[in-house]
Amino acid sequence: VQVVESGGDLVKPGGSLRLSCEASGFTFSHAWMSWVRQAPGKGLEWVGRIKSKNDGGTVDYAVPVTGRFTISRDDSITTVFLHMNSLKTEDTGVYFCSMISGYNYDNRRKTYHYAMDVWGQGTTVTVSS
Amino acid sequence: DIQMTQSPSSLSASVGDRVTITCRASQSINTYLNWYRQTPGKAPNLLIYAASNLRGGVPSRFSGSGSGTDFTLTISSLQPEDFATYYCQQSYITPLTFGGGTKVEIK
Repeated sequence: VQVVESGGDLVKPGGSLRLSCEASGFTFSHAWMSWVRQAPGKGLEWVGRIKSKNDGGTVDYAVPVTGRFTISRDDSITTVFLHMNSLKTEDTGVYFCSMISGYNYDNRRKTYHYAMDVWGQGTTVTVSS
Repeated sequence: DIQMTQSPSSLSASVGDRVTITCRASQSINTYLNWYRQTPGKAPNLLIYAASNLRGGVPSRFSGSGSGTDFTLTISSLQPEDFATYYCQQSYITPLTFGGGTKVEIK
C-alpha cells in the first residue's frame, strides 16, 4: 500500500502548478484522499479532501486555499491531483498526499472516525520570484 | 474552525522515560481525535485513531485517551526512534485541523 507524490517545482507568485499522487496496493476507487502541507520549519496544515465517487465525490478545502486550489481524482489511473492557481509565497512547503481510512463506525452520527492512514514522501513546492 | 492546542510545544526526555502530551480542542469533538508522529524529513505516520485505538503495527508503548475536549498521548517507555514531533488532529468536522505539534528531544 503506497502513495507517491510528484509535480513539485519552483514557481513564481501568481503562477500555477499541478501535483499528482499515484496510489497502489489498495482499492483506490473506494478511498477518500487528502492533501496536507508543511511550510519550512512549521507544523502540518490540512489542505483538502476528496471523497470516493461512491460517497458522492465531494471535496472540502481549507479556508486559505478555497477558490485557488482544486482537488480532483481519476480512478482509472488511481491518481489524485491538486491543481494550484494564484500561488502565493505562503504556499511554499512540502505537500503530502494521504489515503484516509475509516474506523469505528459511529451509529449516532452515521459516520466513521476517519484518519490519514498512508502517507507519501511529499513533494516540494517553492513559490518565489 | 475547531482549534487544537497541544502542550507542551517541546520537551526533553531520556530513553526509557514515560512521556505524556496533551491536546485540547476548542469545542467538543467526542473521540474524533488522531495522533501522528513525524521524524525530521519524513512523512507523518498514524499512531492512534479515534482517541484511544492503536493503529495496527504501532508499538504498544503508545496509548491514547480522552474524549470531548481533552486528550492525551502517552509513551510508556521512550525509545530512540520516538524522538520526533507529535501532532494531534481532529476529524470531527471540516476543515480538519492539527495541533501545533510537540517536539520530543533527547535530554
